[in-house]
Amino acid sequence: QKEVEQNSGPLSVPEGAIASLNCTYSDRGSQSFFWYRQYSGKSPELIMFIYSNGDKEDGRFTAQLNKASQYVSLLIRDSQPSDSATYLCAVGPDTGRRALTFGSGTRLQVQP
Amino acid sequence: NAGVTQTPKFQVLKTGQSMTLQCAQDMNHNSMYWYRQDPGMGLRLIYYSASEGTTDKGEVPNGYNVSRLNKREFSLRLESAAPSQTSVYFCASSIDRNTEAFFGQGTRLTVV
Repeated sequence: QKEVEQNSGPLSVPEGAIASLNCTYSDRGSQSFFWYRQYSGKSPELIMFIYSNGDKEDGRFTAQLNKASQYVSLLIRDSQPSDSATYLCAVGPDTGRRALTFGSGTRLQVQP
Repeated sequence: NAGVTQTPKFQVLKTGQSMTLQCAQDMNHNSMYWYRQDPGMGLRLIYYSASEGTTDKGEVPNGYNVSRLNKREFSLRLESAAPSQTSVYFCASSIDRNTEAFFGQGTRLTVV
C-alpha cells in the first residue's frame, strides 16, 4: 500500500462547479497535511495546509481532514479553467520519516 | 525575494558523466530537500538535510550524494549518471520538517 494515495484522474468538471479531490494516507502518526498545485512543466506551489480535524477555508479552497479515517480532501468552489492542473497531496512526517511524502497527484480539467 | 533557486534548468548528460545540481534558498529555512519527479510516480525524496552539517537518505538515494554547504545551499551530485536518472529534480526548503515546503523551479535532466 502506498503511503499517500490519490486517484490519478483526470477529474473533469465544468466551469463554475465544485471540484472534489481526495487523498488517503497510511501513517496514523502524521500530523500535518498539505495540498500543492502543479501546472505542467512547473514546480509545485502550496495551496493550503491543515493540521486539525475538520474544515479549513481559504477563498475558493476548502481543505478537509479526518484523522480517524486517514482522509484529507480539497474542495475547489466555482472552478475556473485556470484551476486545471495536477493537485498533489502531501503528508508530513511522523517520528520515523524525515520529510513530506507526496501522492502521485490528481489531474483536474475544468471545462469552459 | 528569490525563494529557492536551482541551477541548471536543463541538462543533458552522457551515461557515466558526473554533474552537480545546485540549490540555494534565501528564506532562512533549516530543512532542505531533493526530490525527483517521474511520470505517474509523484515526488520521491532522494536526500534530506535537517540543518547545516546533517544529511539523511530518503526513499531513492542510490546513485546520488549531497552536500549541505551552509544553511543556504544544498547540492546534489550524480557521480556516474545512468539513464534511470533521467527525471525532473526539485530542491525544496522548509522552516522544519513539519512545515510547508517551498520548491525551486526544477532541473530537467536527461541521461543518454
